[in-house]
Amino acid sequence: DAKTTQPPSMDCAEGRAANLPCNHSTISGNEYVYWYRQIHSQGPQYIIHGLKNNETNEMASLIITEDRKSSTLILPHATLRDTAVYYCIVRVLNNAGNMLTFGGGTRLMVKP
Amino acid sequence: NAGVTQTPKFQVLKTGQSMTLQCAQDMNHEYMSWYRQDPGMGLRLIHYSVGAGITDQGEVPNGYNVSRSTTEDFPLRLLSAAPSQTSVYFCASSSWEGVQETQYFGPGTRLLVL
Repeated sequence: DAKTTQPPSMDCAEGRAANLPCNHSTISGNEYVYWYRQIHSQGPQYIIHGLKNNETNEMASLIITEDRKSSTLILPHATLRDTAVYYCIVRVLNNAGNMLTFGGGTRLMVKP
Repeated sequence: NAGVTQTPKFQVLKTGQSMTLQCAQDMNHEYMSWYRQDPGMGLRLIHYSVGAGITDQGEVPNGYNVSRSTTEDFPLRLLSAAPSQTSVYFCASSSWEGVQETQYFGPGTRLLVL
C-alpha cells in the first residue's frame, strides 16, 4: 500500500470548516483513499473513502486532486466532538482481506 | 446490533502469564482482525482472518496466536506475556457490500504486563 504523509497536528475553531490534508504521491491506480478517526481511547471510526471522484457523506467531504497524489478531508462545521486523530490510509480493495495500515495521523484540536 | 465487542476492558498480567482476549461481532462479517496500539502510535496489525478456519499473520504476529472456529468469534491468545506487549488491543470486523468494505472497531482492551 502507498505511504501517506499528514501534518502531525492542526487546530480549528468551533463552527469553522476543518481541512485536513494528506499527501500520497506514490498512489497506484487501483488504490483507494480512506479516512478514519480515533477519538481519545476509542476504536477507530470510518469516515469516508474514494478512488478518484470527490465524495460526500453525512460526516465529511473528500476532495481528491486530479493526479490523485493528494487529498483533503473536509469537516464542514467542526464541533468540539470532532477533536480526534485523523488517519489517511491508502489501500487496494480486494477480497483477500487487505487490512488497514495506520500511520501517525493528524491530531485535530477543535477549540471554542 | 451490539457491533464488535471486546472483553475484558482492562487486564493486568505478570510476565510469563498467558491469557486470551475475546472479540465477538454480530454483523455476520467474514473478515476480522486484531491490532495493537502503543502510546502515541498508530495501530499495527497482529493477525487477521478472512473467514472461519482461515487466519494469517499481520505486521507484528510474534507472541500471539489466533483461531477462528466460528464467524462470530476471533480470540487473541498471548502465550507468555512480556512487558513489550503492554498496549491497547483493538479488534475489527468488516465485510464486502459491492465495492464497499468498511472496518468496524471494538472499544479496545487495555493490557498492562508487569
